[in-house]
Amino acid sequence: KAGVTQTPRYLIKTRGQQVTLSCSPISGHRSVSWYQQTPGQGLQFLFEYFSETQRNKGNFPGRFSGRQFSNSRSEMNVSTLELGDSALYLCASSPPGDTQYFGPGTRLTVL
Amino acid sequence: KQEVTQIPAALSVPEGENLVLNCSFTDSAIYNLQWFRQDPGKGLTSLLLIQSSQREQTSGRLNASLDKSSGRSTLYIAASQPGDSATYLCAVPSRGNEKLTFGTGTRLTIIP
Repeated sequence: KAGVTQTPRYLIKTRGQQVTLSCSPISGHRSVSWYQQTPGQGLQFLFEYFSETQRNKGNFPGRFSGRQFSNSRSEMNVSTLELGDSALYLCASSPPGDTQYFGPGTRLTVL
Repeated sequence: KQEVTQIPAALSVPEGENLVLNCSFTDSAIYNLQWFRQDPGKGLTSLLLIQSSQREQTSGRLNASLDKSSGRSTLYIAASQPGDSATYLCAVPSRGNEKLTFGTGTRLTIIP
């Protein structure tokens, strides 16, 4: 089975722009979660989607949003980028009650 | 609110030694605990998942233990190798959902 894939792998944006990141889960996994990893804050939960519905949300501003499609693929969007949004964004998929499988991440740099 | 702590933040040991990484959590009402490995700039690789009903889980040279009552887990690595150098993270799920709360990680360096 193919693993979790994330595109793009690297991204450079400037302040004020918006960005969309994509995640394709492992086939058959309906839950997709997003995490932000920074040196200062570590790994922090952004949100989780299941069957196209957001089930859980972390403590991030409304500039961070996401969605899930009927094929379980997910996108997250960050609007009005700030320097502090520079991070590694990780996506994970899981079957119910099992471990989460993480993708390689998207490295976002905001200049 | 669940808080997960990992001590030490960094550890360097000579190749061949056995070592233990520690993870503590504040809310003992967990239903599992996971250990992950992360190589620099990469995603996370799941190493072991221990269910709350288990006390130990083993995979090759890795052994993870869980003591819910004391809010602790350890990851034991036997006969360490340079390829074990990475950051190790433990994580626990929140009740009833898929959100994982991660520890801050232990950066392990194995010296050849």
